[in-house]
Amino acid sequence: GAGVSQSPSNKVTEKGKDVELRCDPISGHTALYWYRQRLGQGLEFLIYFQGNSAPDKSGLPSDRFSAERTGESVSTLTIQRTQQEDSAVYLCASSSVNEQFFGPGTRLTVL
Amino acid sequence: AQSVTQLDSHVSVSEGTPVLLRCNYSSSYSPSLFWYVQHPNKGLQLLLKYTSAATLVKGINGFEAEFKKSETSFHLTKPSAHMSDAAEYFCVVSVGDGTDKLIFGTGTRLQVFP
Repeated sequence: GAGVSQSPSNKVTEKGKDVELRCDPISGHTALYWYRQRLGQGLEFLIYFQGNSAPDKSGLPSDRFSAERTGESVSTLTIQRTQQEDSAVYLCASSSVNEQFFGPGTRLTVL
Repeated sequence: AQSVTQLDSHVSVSEGTPVLLRCNYSSSYSPSLFWYVQHPNKGLQLLLKYTSAATLVKGINGFEAEFKKSETSFHLTKPSAHMSDAAEYFCVVSVGDGTDKLIFGTGTRLQVFP
C-alpha cells in the first residue's frame, strides 16, 4: 500500500521567499507529525496534528513557521521569509498504534 | 522530560563481527523506546520498538535491543554485521503525554568494512 508521501522532494529558494511543503499521510492515520533534520543531526519535533487540530506546536522555531491540515489528510508546512538556517530536510510522519511511518522528506536549501 | 543519549557518533566494524550501538535514556516514567535506521538518501525505517512488554526486543534484519531499567539503557546489537547494515541509526523515545511525539538521539553512523 501507499506510504507517506511528501512534495517537493527538493526545494531551493532564495532568502526571504516563502515556501510551502506538502505531506500526504497514510490513509486513515489520524495523527500527523512534522520534524526537521539539520545536516548531521537527529530529528527535531516541530508540530503534531490529531485530526485537523494541532494540540502541540511547541517545536515550531519561530512565528515564520506555520502548518495546517485539512480533512484529516494532507498537511502543509509553510515557512515565511526563509532564512539560511531553515535549510534542512523536513520530514512528515503519520501514526497508527504507537508506530510512526515517515515520508522521504523534503530537502530545503535556502540560498 | 524524556531524552536519549547516543554515546557514539561513529562506529566502525568489520563484516561478520558483532555490532553494538549504545543508547541511554532519561524518562520520568516507563518509556516507549525505538531504534530507527536511515540509509543514505532513503527514509527512516523502524528497526524495533519496546513498549513495556518483553525487555529483549527483536527487530528486522537480525537486530535486537535489550531494555535495562537499572542502567537506563537500550543498546542495539547484531551478532554479525553485513555490508548492507552501513547506515545512520537513531535511538528514539516517545513522549508519553498523549501526543506520542518522538525525541531523537543525535544518531550513530555505522560503517562496515569488508
